Amino acid sequence: LAKTTQPISMDSYEGQEVNITCSHNNIATNDYITWYQQFPSQGPRFIIQGYKTKVTNEVASLFIPADRKSSTLSLPRVSLSDTAVYYCLAFYNTDKLIFGTGTRLQVFP
Amino acid sequence: EAGVAQSPRYKIIEKRQSVAFWCNPISGHATLYWYQQILGQGPKLLIQFQNNGVVDDSQLPKDRFSAERLKGVDSTLKIQPAKLEDSAVYLCASSLDRLVDSPLHFGNGTRLTVT
Repeated sequence: LAKTTQPISMDSYEGQEVNITCSHNNIATNDYITWYQQFPSQGPRFIIQGYKTKVTNEVASLFIPADRKSSTLSLPRVSLSDTAVYYCLAFYNTDKLIFGTGTRLQVFP
Repeated sequence: EAGVAQSPRYKIIEKRQSVAFWCNPISGHATLYWYQQILGQGPKLLIQFQNNGVVDDSQLPKDRFSAERLKGVDSTLKIQPAKLEDSAVYLCASSLDRLVDSPLHFGNGTRLTVT
């Protein structure tokens, strides 16, 4: 399983675009990049997943460059409700899946 | 679909007492996980089941923690005896299988306080 590195925290204001970058230098050929979101007093929730280039869904976009050594989660026009911890993981199956400490995003009005 | 159900939501016990947590995964999900999340940290995997067999329990403190998944559906996690450092949120998750395209679905956890 690839080790991932993320910023510990980020601040933003409502309406801004937020980009959280994750480093995964030793990512394996079969690994996918997956992001989870966790609100206080709740379990993590799956946001988005990708293998290469760009993936977009109704809540976020995921950008993965050709070398796949990093990835960027993009949250368009954040609101106060996007305040949460965001986890980046790189894996190809869930055996021994380990979460890091994540990025704590604080959105201000 | 109904989500992952966990109970109780909160539990306060004294050290050296025992405690049990219950998890009902999403129907049809073969893989079940128990995670421990200490305040300010990411979830730490304790044990992973595939149906009713253990896939990984390398980080489960087996001298005091035990878990079972009878009939490959519901699961219980037990701590006996509890220590102060066991104070944490215990999260149960399930997924359709172990493949990467089967995201984990988490319950809201049981917050354990050991005094």
